[in-house]
Amino acid sequence: AQSVSQHNHHVILSEAASLELGCNYSYGGTVNLFWYVQYPGQHLQLLLKYFSGDPLVKGIKGFEAEFIKSKFSFNLRKPSVQWSDTAEYFCAVTLNTGGFKTIFGAGTRLFVKA
Amino acid sequence: SQTIHQWPATLVQPVGSPLSLECTVEGTSNPNLYWYRQAAGRGLQLLFYSVGIGQISSEVPQNLSASRPQDRQFILSSKKLLLSDSGFYLCAWSVKGAPTDTQYFGPGTRLTVL
Repeated sequence: AQSVSQHNHHVILSEAASLELGCNYSYGGTVNLFWYVQYPGQHLQLLLKYFSGDPLVKGIKGFEAEFIKSKFSFNLRKPSVQWSDTAEYFCAVTLNTGGFKTIFGAGTRLFVKA
Repeated sequence: SQTIHQWPATLVQPVGSPLSLECTVEGTSNPNLYWYRQAAGRGLQLLFYSVGIGQISSEVPQNLSASRPQDRQFILSSKKLLLSDSGFYLCAWSVKGAPTDTQYFGPGTRLTVL
């Protein structure tokens, strides 16, 4: 069965530290890849997405993610986190089969200490 | 601009009682609509999606049902709630014809079944 794994459920960093959140998926076909973020008290919203082309995708607020097809990975990175990045981050994979199935990871709660 | 509303925001219901959660979308026509459930420590699980009025597809068999009586209205229901129905319910929409594209999420309803 298809699945999405996020390796860390909780991450605590100090401001200015670098961030990398892991995401791996299990599906051999064509996929669209997403990172969504939920800031405290706000709706879940899109951070960045990959459909095709350059595997290094840049999103809002200085985030980027790299699609490595051979590793079935789509890790999220930010070189220097801020206190305002405290949020829960979800990796999601949509199977490009003409259907509607989107599979979400369990999420990673990031807490950035000021 | 498009907005998505869900109500109620929180709900506490006894086991065996009925359920009705409502989701409405403004600022777009003929969207794809989705219901997700997020259980603690787990990712979002797709429950239902709809491509049009009266058209509902179920992803997971359970005692919940969904209806789409109007183009931009999506309702999640149950005749008799179970303890296991507790969770955070999210409604989302995406652009028609692009089911694998970005989904836009509502604020969610936290349901506690006692």
